[in-house]
Amino acid sequence: GAGVSQSPSNKVTEKGKDVELRCDPISGHTALYWYRQRLGQGLEFLIYFQGNSAPDKSGLPSDRFSAERTGESVSTLTIQRTQQEDSAVYLCASSLAGIDRVSYNEQFFGPGTRLTVL
Amino acid sequence: ELKVEQNPLFLSMQEGKNYTIYCNYSTTSDRLYWYRQDPGKSLESLFVLLSNGAVKQEGRLMASLDTKARLSTLHITAAVHDLSATYFCAVATKYNNNDMRFGAGTRLTVKP
Repeated sequence: GAGVSQSPSNKVTEKGKDVELRCDPISGHTALYWYRQRLGQGLEFLIYFQGNSAPDKSGLPSDRFSAERTGESVSTLTIQRTQQEDSAVYLCASSLAGIDRVSYNEQFFGPGTRLTVL
Repeated sequence: ELKVEQNPLFLSMQEGKNYTIYCNYSTTSDRLYWYRQDPGKSLESLFVLLSNGAVKQEGRLMASLDTKARLSTLHITAAVHDLSATYFCAVATKYNNNDMRFGAGTRLTVKP
């Protein structure tokens, strides 16, 4: 079956330009997450969407970062005025978000977008 | 704030040997996840541990959870080269099931 897909797989941009990264979650998954992974590092939580609730933006590192999601489908992560420290792999994950203990909210990850800011 | 610590961060071992990776976390949780990441690839789910004393095994990997000690272990038995990867643990906070934090990862290299 189709998993989480992300595009582009690689993006090279110049410092100061804006970039948009796209994530298509698994169909039916109501929760969607964005993470950043710098080279050789762990995952850094950025933002979380759950259905029509207000997103949890607590992980966004600056106001240059924003994300949107249309309903329970595609999400885009936008980075404005990119800086070299934004270079990283951006991972998207989706899950069947439950409100009880039965569904354990396992996250399924996309292949990531490797962003390089020159 | 939930913090997750893994150790070791780097592990080099010979084929056939056993070793354990540790994952400590700072606040109450009732679910813990282990993921594997191959170089240049995304994360693959290995185990989900939902209760104190939970133990799960898949091939040469066995994961356990002690919620009282806030500790999970990933034990590797008779390592083979194919297990070389980075292993992450991730912990969901007890009161917000979708707030999950990852450890820094353990980069495992299994040498012939």
